[in-house]
Amino acid sequence: QKEVEQDPGPLSVPEGAIVSLNCTYSNSAFQYFMWYRQYSRKGPELLMYTYSSGNKEDGRFTAQVDKSSKYISLFIRDSQPSDSATYLCAMSQINNNDMRFGAGTRLTVKP
Amino acid sequence: GAGVSQSPSNKVTEKGKDVELRCDPISGHTALYWYRQSLGQGLEFLIYFQGNSAPDKSGLPSDRFSAERTGGSVSTLTIQRTQQEDSAVYLCASSLRWDNEQFFGPGTRLTVL
Repeated sequence: QKEVEQDPGPLSVPEGAIVSLNCTYSNSAFQYFMWYRQYSRKGPELLMYTYSSGNKEDGRFTAQVDKSSKYISLFIRDSQPSDSATYLCAMSQINNNDMRFGAGTRLTVKP
Repeated sequence: GAGVSQSPSNKVTEKGKDVELRCDPISGHTALYWYRQSLGQGLEFLIYFQGNSAPDKSGLPSDRFSAERTGGSVSTLTIQRTQQEDSAVYLCASSLRWDNEQFFGPGTRLTVL
């Protein structure tokens, strides 16, 4: 079993839809949870960052962490074609630079 | 300002040849990471440099892989006697310190024929 599991998709939605992206993990020591967005032929860029459990909202994006279930989510409201990219979850432990990434979910938002 | 740059952007080589991949981190960033991204796989950590400390090589898949960071800045990832399974995108990232956000370069797409 991989340490971080993420459905690679692909996921295709119409413009304006709410998108839900998810990851599960097995290491209960993870405390930092991140979502990266990666456009084609580009490097990943940090989108959202959450420490421990709870929700964090930034514009159309909401990140949720449920440590009891070892489950994290990224919600995108009013999705736009420009949101079409691969979304990778990542997580790490306290005082540990070793980040573990999910496989990434490829999202396409159709106009 | 300038972000992380990597060269070449694409590299096609024959099985058994050696390749060198270059990473120019953001100026002033003390931490530098190399990752490998294979199709359908997440980013696989390879090696980490922090300042003048000994690098963390725990992610290197075999002794054919090595990396250097000269003068605390530019880094080179070398793959000797390349194999077809080495085909992947090799990403470099840098951060101000080990616990800060990592900024990624565009990657080098390596194809081993």
